[in-house]
Amino acid sequence: LAKTTQPISMDSYEGQEVNITCSHNNIATNDYITWYQQFPSQGPRFIIQGYKTKVTNEVASLFIPADRKSSTLSLPRVSLSDTAVYYCLVDTGNTGKLIFGQGTTLQVKP
Amino acid sequence: GAGVSQTPSNKVTEKGKYVELRCDPISGHTALYWYRQSLGQGPEFLIYFQGTGAADDSGLPNDRFFAVRPEGSVSTLKIQRTERGDSAVYLCASSRTANTEAFFGQGTRLTVV
Repeated sequence: LAKTTQPISMDSYEGQEVNITCSHNNIATNDYITWYQQFPSQGPRFIIQGYKTKVTNEVASLFIPADRKSSTLSLPRVSLSDTAVYYCLVDTGNTGKLIFGQGTTLQVKP
Repeated sequence: GAGVSQTPSNKVTEKGKYVELRCDPISGHTALYWYRQSLGQGPEFLIYFQGTGAADDSGLPNDRFFAVRPEGSVSTLKIQRTERGDSAVYLCASSRTANTEAFFGQGTRLTVV
């Protein structure tokens, strides 16, 4: 499974757009890119998944360039409640095995 | 229930004891996963069930760890001869199939003293 690299931490202020970039240089043709969010004392929660170009849902957008060696999770107008750890994962979707890295701890300040 | 349920939410046990952690997945979900999470780290894969069978148990750290899912729904993670290093939050997740969104429970915090 492809390994991912993302910043350990990021700070932002309420109302700002936050972009978290993840590198996955060894992504395989069959791999999807998935982002999870985790609040303290809770299990991770699925945010968004994509294969290429752009995916948008009610929570976030995911931008994936043509070479798919990186991806960017975009959170529009963050609030204090978006303070959490964000994990970038790549997986084929057939193995059932999600490999989590250390994630990015996002701190949103008032 | 509406989500993945894990019991107990907290478990304190003495070193050397045996523990069982239970996971009730979302009804109808055929895939079930166990993860372990230490403080400050991401979840670490332990085992994945597709139906009743363990499709991938490569993450189980040693033979003290075992998991079952006899009827394809509820799963139990069993840890024998617990060690202090087993202390962590044990997370369970389920999904409709292997390649669909995984839903996680709140976890069981295991403390071995």
